[in-house]
Amino acid sequence: DTGVSQDPRHKITKRGQNVTFRCDPISEHNRLYWYRQTLGQGPEFLTYFQNEAQLEKSRLLSDRFSAERPKGSFSTLEIQRTEQGDSAMYLCASSQGLGYEQYFGPGTRLTVT
Amino acid sequence: GQNIDQPTEMTATEGAIVQINCTYQTSGFNGLFWYQQHAGEAPTFLSYNVLDGLEEKGRFSSFLSRSKGYSYLLLKELQMKDSASYLCAVRRGTASKLTFGTGTRLQVTL
Repeated sequence: DTGVSQDPRHKITKRGQNVTFRCDPISEHNRLYWYRQTLGQGPEFLTYFQNEAQLEKSRLLSDRFSAERPKGSFSTLEIQRTEQGDSAMYLCASSQGLGYEQYFGPGTRLTVT
Repeated sequence: GQNIDQPTEMTATEGAIVQINCTYQTSGFNGLFWYQQHAGEAPTFLSYNVLDGLEEKGRFSSFLSRSKGYSYLLLKELQMKDSASYLCAVRRGTASKLTFGTGTRLQVTL
């Protein structure tokens, strides 16, 4: 396994459109996280899953954002009715459990025009 | 809430030693992580401290003082490839999420 993968790597969309990103974690990792990072800032937590259960969502996550991990493997993050403020790098990470480090994927860079 | 402070930028010379500090204020502290992030790339894990003291891993070491809410990352024998942002992140209680500082951008010069 070569690590966490994300698709697409770049996405340009017009304001008001919906977008969906995919994350494939390291195969034996049961925890999967989504973060958002803007220029000059550290990653901000959005949500996380343990297996297929979504256990925590940030207050930053408006109702336009939804995430799923249907079979406890890959996850998707959907943003509906995108706004220019959604432009950011969306990072996915996975870990073996609470006591372990999180491994990050390469990210999906979203630009909303 | 949590407050994590790091210097915004640092510059150091190739071959030298640099110390990047991180202070934090949080209840229920349960671990501090350091990540390296090159421009346009994902963060990569460097170190993890949950108990007081120094953790050494090759050219990189990380120190934690829980009573002072303080950590540092020490980079020895600096190389040009060490030019990157260094992110300090704190875990709180049994929460899985990490709260990151804004990062310290390190520039290594000749």
